[in-house]
Amino acid sequence: AQSVSQHNHHVILSEAASLELGCNYSYGGTVNLFWYVQYPGQHLQLLLKYFSGDPLVKGIKGFEAEFIKSKFSFNLRKPSVQWSDTAEYFCAVNDGYGGSQGNLIFGKGTKLSVKP
Amino acid sequence: DTGVSQDPRHKITKRGQNVTFRCDPISEHNRLYWYRQTLGQGPEFLTYFQNEAQLEKSRLLSDRFSAERPKGSFSTLEIQRTEQGDSAMYLCASGGLGTGHPGELFFGEGSRLTVL
Repeated sequence: AQSVSQHNHHVILSEAASLELGCNYSYGGTVNLFWYVQYPGQHLQLLLKYFSGDPLVKGIKGFEAEFIKSKFSFNLRKPSVQWSDTAEYFCAVNDGYGGSQGNLIFGKGTKLSVKP
Repeated sequence: DTGVSQDPRHKITKRGQNVTFRCDPISEHNRLYWYRQTLGQGPEFLTYFQNEAQLEKSRLLSDRFSAERPKGSFSTLEIQRTEQGDSAMYLCASGGLGTGHPGELFFGEGSRLTVL
């Protein structure tokens, strides 16, 4: 079965610091990869996605992620975080072939706290 | 607001009672998903529908759980004889046709269940 690992449970940064959140998945075939964000009191929102093509994908609010197939990784990055980035971030994967079913497997999430 | 809506947002019940949650997906989407999220965990897949057909159920979905989508539009998730372990956030998502990619899901704000 597929699984997703997020390395950090809670990350605390000061504003303007750079961010990198780790995500590794177990499935060896074609995959679709996602990062979702959940701001306090709000629903899960799609931050960015990778289906195919350029392994460096850019999302909303200055976030980007790089798909490294050989490392089974899809790490999320942002060069300079803001207080408003305080949220919980979830990495998710689905099977690129059966992915049309959209059954996402999520990691446990990383809580990001940004100090003003 | 044309997003995914869920009702009720919060339900408190006593052990042994039945509860029902409703989800109204984004109207153009043909797929509807139910997930469960507990504290400190990412969302876990429960079941999904394509139109009115329930195509997949997770092993997490015990016999006490039943989901329906009778006309291919809204869906209900019923939990019979609730147990304290059922306390969680129940998330609904829609996707499939009408999205940029069939693997992309749009989530509602969730229905939080507390079983006393």
